[in-house]
Amino acid sequence: EDQVTQSPEALRLQEGESSSLNCSYTVSGLRGLFWYRQDPGKGPEFLFTLYSAGEEKEKERLKATLTKKESFLHITAPKPEDSATYLCAVRGGSARQLTFGSGTQLTVLP
Amino acid sequence: DAGVTQSPTHLIKTRGQQVTLRCSPKSGHDTVSWYQQALGQGPQFIFQYYEEEERQRGNFPDRFSGHQFPNYSSELNVNALLLGDSALYLCASSFRLAVNTGELFFGEGSRLTVL
Repeated sequence: EDQVTQSPEALRLQEGESSSLNCSYTVSGLRGLFWYRQDPGKGPEFLFTLYSAGEEKEKERLKATLTKKESFLHITAPKPEDSATYLCAVRGGSARQLTFGSGTQLTVLP
Repeated sequence: DAGVTQSPTHLIKTRGQQVTLRCSPKSGHDTVSWYQQALGQGPQFIFQYYEEEERQRGNFPDRFSGHQFPNYSSELNVNALLLGDSALYLCASSFRLAVNTGELFFGEGSRLTVL
């Protein structure tokens, strides 16, 4: 059974204070690791897909990296508008569905 | 380009009632998946439809059923509602040919409250 654990559960940063979110996973035959951003009361918004260890993707202040056991979402010089819950998900083996973690709730203070 | 649209956005039901939620996939997508998201949790997979058939199902009881129409839109039905069914119900769409590798695009969700 695929499993995803995200840490920390919540993170408060000052504007400009860089940090990283962690996603540890257990999956049989990784077919993709996905990062989503979710604002309160809204659906998840797709950010990145990573397929193999060593892969990196960047988008504005966000950078996602992948190893064989975990993924990191690095946030550089965050702004208040980056405040949201960040969800990590995996798809493994022959599964068509995504298995999600519980998310990290990020708050960036001005 | 229209994204994934869901209706209704909010609804309130009482225990034992039935509910139907609707979803139109992103333009060009032919596969629809439904997820349930309880407060403070990540989304949990309910089932997936393409070519008007249920292709995979998560760990949800038979009270949860669905349908996909020829235009690729979909419905989620929940019978005999329980208090624990209160959640945000998310619809996600994708390409069937990329179903094992591609990303999912989510709608804004339908917030169901069961009293």
